[in-house]
Amino acid sequence: GQQVMQIPQYQHVQEGEDFTTYCNSSTTLSNIQWYKQRPGGHPVFLIQLVKSGEVKKQKRLTFQFGEAKKNSSLHITATQTTDVGTYFCAVLVQGAQKLVFGQGTRLTINP
Amino acid sequence: DTGVSQDPRHKITKRGQNVTFRCDPISEHNRLYWYRQTLGQGPEFLTYFQNEAQLEKSRLLSDRFSAERPKGSFSTLEIQRTEQGDSAMYLCASSLGLTGRTEAFFGQGTRLTVV
Repeated sequence: GQQVMQIPQYQHVQEGEDFTTYCNSSTTLSNIQWYKQRPGGHPVFLIQLVKSGEVKKQKRLTFQFGEAKKNSSLHITATQTTDVGTYFCAVLVQGAQKLVFGQGTRLTINP
Repeated sequence: DTGVSQDPRHKITKRGQNVTFRCDPISEHNRLYWYRQTLGQGPEFLTYFQNEAQLEKSRLLSDRFSAERPKGSFSTLEIQRTEQGDSAMYLCASSLGLTGRTEAFFGQGTRLTVV
């Protein structure tokens, strides 16, 4: 079945440093979604990308969809302690229309 | 509307017992998903509904798991003859399911512990 691989699995940064997580697929994706899960919480939707090469920004967060629509990235500029959590990418599998999640990147921050 | 709600929040059961979880999605949402999440892992797809129709069930899911969504509103997930390996967080999510509006809204989850 369709799978998305996320790297890295873990990332520890100093507060103020940047952070990037990557999501890769072996097949072309119709769309990709990003979610954040705080420790002890549930996944919360951040954004959806559908167009080749699309770039969207939310304050310090920048989301990109690759030109070939096989990869995506989430970049956080100047991390803050509120950014702590696990970031997941998810894809909607066409045909089946089910939402499948990557393994996530867990971000911890040293204040 | 208060979002997706799940009940109970926590469940401790003895191995071999049956358990049932309930999910109430956002009222206008047609699509409802069940996921299982263990520590350090992403949500693992279990099954999903479009209105009252169950469209797919994960091949990884044993016959001990069954889900229903009568009348296309709330959903229940039942696990029969629970095993210790069933211990996990069970997450429910709903979405509009319309083109361009496929983002999922999650409930707080039901944490199952099988002892």
